[in-house]
Amino acid sequence: EIVMTQSPATLSVSPGERATLSCRASQSISSDLAWYQQKPGQAPRLLIYGASTRATGIPAKFSGSGSGAEFTLTISSLQSEDFAVYYCQHYNNWPLTFGGGTKVEIK
Amino acid sequence: VQVVESGGGLVQPGRSLRLSCTGSGFIFGDYAMNWVRQAPGRGLEWVGLIRNKNYGETTQYDASVKGRFTISRDNSKSIAYLQMNSLETEDTAIYYCARAIVGSAQAYYFDYWGQGTLVTVSS
Repeated sequence: EIVMTQSPATLSVSPGERATLSCRASQSISSDLAWYQQKPGQAPRLLIYGASTRATGIPAKFSGSGSGAEFTLTISSLQSEDFAVYYCQHYNNWPLTFGGGTKVEIK
Repeated sequence: VQVVESGGGLVQPGRSLRLSCTGSGFIFGDYAMNWVRQAPGRGLEWVGLIRNKNYGETTQYDASVKGRFTISRDNSKSIAYLQMNSLETEDTAIYYCARAIVGSAQAYYFDYWGQGTLVTVSS
């Protein structure tokens, strides 16, 4: 099983600043990585797939990078609606696994 | 595109429950459908998936539910099912259904999610 490790667990950011979230896989997963955003009481929403391709309707302020085992999600100029929990998920083999999440909170 | 789950509720340990996932706004039979759960205050946990007819509607499960949970589908009704047997208190969670997209490695990510249905396993 591939273990996905996200860091930090909590990230405190001031509105207007940039947030950088990390996701590490326990082995190489090529670019088979997705990022999701989840707000309280809501379902997750797909942000990024293929490590760097934005999903339909996702603004350019969200960008993904990385390949192999190290990945980054960058959110530029955070606004109130961006404060949420972010999860990464690999889809390189079975079982599919998620990272533990990074909570982005208002500083 | 819309995905809607139903069938959650309170069930005693050891009993069974069947969840439904209804898709609309897309050709249901062309897509794999997937279940993910989230225990209270916890992260996301993959449960299992059923492929589309091009892939023989075969299934994959996480080890934690394999042998207890079964996923099936009725494309004529645009519904996927999650049959949960021998439920344990640890199965208490919100269960999300999501449309699944196959990647280059023949595994999947999830592009449209339902709002989830709560399953509580308790005596």
